[in-house]
Amino acid sequence: GAGVSQTPSNKVTEKGKYVELRCDPISGHTALYWYRQSLGQGPEFLIYFQGTGAADDSGLPNDRFFAVRPEGSVSTLKIQRTERGDSAVYLCASCSGGSDTQYFGPGTRLTVL
Amino acid sequence: EDKVVQSPLSLVVHEGDTVTLNCSYEVTNFRSLLWYKQEKKAPTFLFMLTSSGIEKKSGRLSSILDKKELFSILNITATQTGDSAVYLCAVEVISGTYKYIFGTGTRLKVLA
Repeated sequence: GAGVSQTPSNKVTEKGKYVELRCDPISGHTALYWYRQSLGQGPEFLIYFQGTGAADDSGLPNDRFFAVRPEGSVSTLKIQRTERGDSAVYLCASCSGGSDTQYFGPGTRLTVL
Repeated sequence: EDKVVQSPLSLVVHEGDTVTLNCSYEVTNFRSLLWYKQEKKAPTFLFMLTSSGIEKKSGRLSSILDKKELFSILNITATQTGDSAVYLCAVEVISGTYKYIFGTGTRLKVLA
């Protein structure tokens, strides 16, 4: 596609529920990053995929967070037993290699009530 | 712990003014420094800097990196209301893989 897309653009859920956030990277980009951005803060690294594998998941805050990229393109960030503190904008970025300009998607604003 | 610090946190100027945004960093295994403009949700790429002292320029925006003093500046001349945004600085580090550490951003508001 022309750019990185993310769905949904907004997600409101209740505490304790499970959510999935989707990222469609730029076609051909092998590297994909997930970030979380809280109000007034910069993006915080969560996980980095190179192809299908998670090359670095050191930013995932706890085991409620999980991400997959089974075919090396679309990625899904999964959050179990959501908490109010998970409320943030979740950004996805892709680039053609591990060290290259990242192109960001528009993000998903997650609100946990 | 790797960190990136931006200053000022926010800035209000009038159209036509020149602004300088600062980004300092303390990281291990530095590879590059990037500037982004974030107006709503998606940060858009401005510059990538890897070498000291070489200015990168795009229209009214320019940026330079000092790898000895560990900082970068982003200059915007003849500011316009459309420059109002959050400007993010990110440092790419290599720690087995490639990782980007972002600062908190500088919120710039340009008044007509």
